[in-house]
Amino acid sequence: AQSVTQLDSQVPVFEEAPVELRCNYSSSVSVYLFWYVQYPNQGLQLLLKYLSGSTLVKGINGFEAEFNKSQTSFHLRKPSVHISDTAEYFCAVSFNAGGTSYGKLTFGQGTILTVHP
Amino acid sequence: KAGVTQTPRYLIKTRGQQVTLSCSPISGHRSVSWYQQTPGQGLQFLFEYFSETQRNKGNFPGRFSGRQFSNSRSEMNVSTLELGDSALYLCASSSTGIRTYEQYFGPGTRLTVT
Repeated sequence: AQSVTQLDSQVPVFEEAPVELRCNYSSSVSVYLFWYVQYPNQGLQLLLKYLSGSTLVKGINGFEAEFNKSQTSFHLRKPSVHISDTAEYFCAVSFNAGGTSYGKLTFGQGTILTVHP
Repeated sequence: KAGVTQTPRYLIKTRGQQVTLSCSPISGHRSVSWYQQTPGQGLQFLFEYFSETQRNKGNFPGRFSGRQFSNSRSEMNVSTLELGDSALYLCASSSTGIRTYEQYFGPGTRLTVT
């Protein structure tokens, strides 16, 4: 079965501390991987994506993620967070499963990142 | 380029009514996907349209339907509204056909069913 799991529902951190948001997936087919951020009362904004090539991908706002195929993980990291990073973060996967995957992203349950001063 | 736009942004309806939501994709994008977001179920895929054809559908009852026009604008319709249909409805557009590369999301329509 194809699924996406975000291991932490909430992550509190202090400003300027590093953070890692964890994402694992289960799949028997190839995947494309994404991280999105959602601020209150807004839609989803794409942070970064992995389609192919280097397993370390860099995105906007200083975020980066590493694709680990053997561990089926795609964890999101930022070396130093800011108050403005407080938001909900979603890991999303596109499974290459033919017609049933057209236009479909499968999302994790989300991780609420709260940055304290 | 202008982003994905959705109208209306907020909507209040009564049980049993029907509702139509609209989505205009990024210029040049031919794929439009719809998602329902609720606190309990998270983000769930409703359906996807490409070149006016529904290519994929999620596990939602037949009360949820959609269509896409020749200019790629899309609408979704929910008939016989239930309280559980209260949610944020998001549409997303993408430029590609076969594989789902990155999708760009609109701000959503917040539907409240009373």
